[in-house]
Amino acid sequence: DAGITQSPRHKVTETGTPVTLRCHQTENHRYMYWYRQDPGHGLRLIHYSYGVKDTDKGEVSDGYSVSRSKTEDFLLTLESATSSQTSVYFCAISATESSGANVLTFGAGSRLTVL
Amino acid sequence: GESVGLHLPTLSVQEGDNSIINCAYSNSASDYFIWYKQESGKGPQFIIDIRSNMDKRQGQRVTVLLNKTVKHLSLQIAATQPGDSAVYFCAENKGDYKLSFGAGTTVTVRA
Repeated sequence: DAGITQSPRHKVTETGTPVTLRCHQTENHRYMYWYRQDPGHGLRLIHYSYGVKDTDKGEVSDGYSVSRSKTEDFLLTLESATSSQTSVYFCAISATESSGANVLTFGAGSRLTVL
Repeated sequence: GESVGLHLPTLSVQEGDNSIINCAYSNSASDYFIWYKQESGKGPQFIIDIRSNMDKRQGQRVTVLLNKTVKHLSLQIAATQPGDSAVYFCAENKGDYKLSFGAGTTVTVRA
């Protein structure tokens, strides 16, 4: 998916355990994003990054933290997973179309199940 | 709450017919709008975008229409094919490098 790799692709964990999802890009893009996708809600922004060590919250950031120590890697951490965090998580990078529109390119997703 | 939404969660279309997927938005300050297609088990893929100063934009077999008066966006797919079966999302950008997505419309193409 256009130079974006998410890992792991599937994970089952138990309530209360920490979980880290990794997003790796080879495009050298400045902006990276984490979204979650749930039925009936579309995609909702969790956190995003606009540079190394520069991150900001999205609309559903509670219970999540992120880190970006290198341009190519953006990590999403659930410090203590809850069942409500069962979801499909998508990483995205930002690219600008010829029209000037900021178009996101998405990874293949990471399916997380919290039991 | 969400500022972008789709009128119908599902759409069933006969192969060869044209499809029209609708989206209503509420933020008049959005700079542009984007349509994404998501196939089962994959991430969303960019289809086409339209800037807020345009009314219409055409791509390959797709046309996006923007009606700012009623804050309505639509995606038209000509001669719908089985490979067009997917979930379609509209998204808006307000110029801050973030996109807000609607809930999605699932399109099923009947043979």
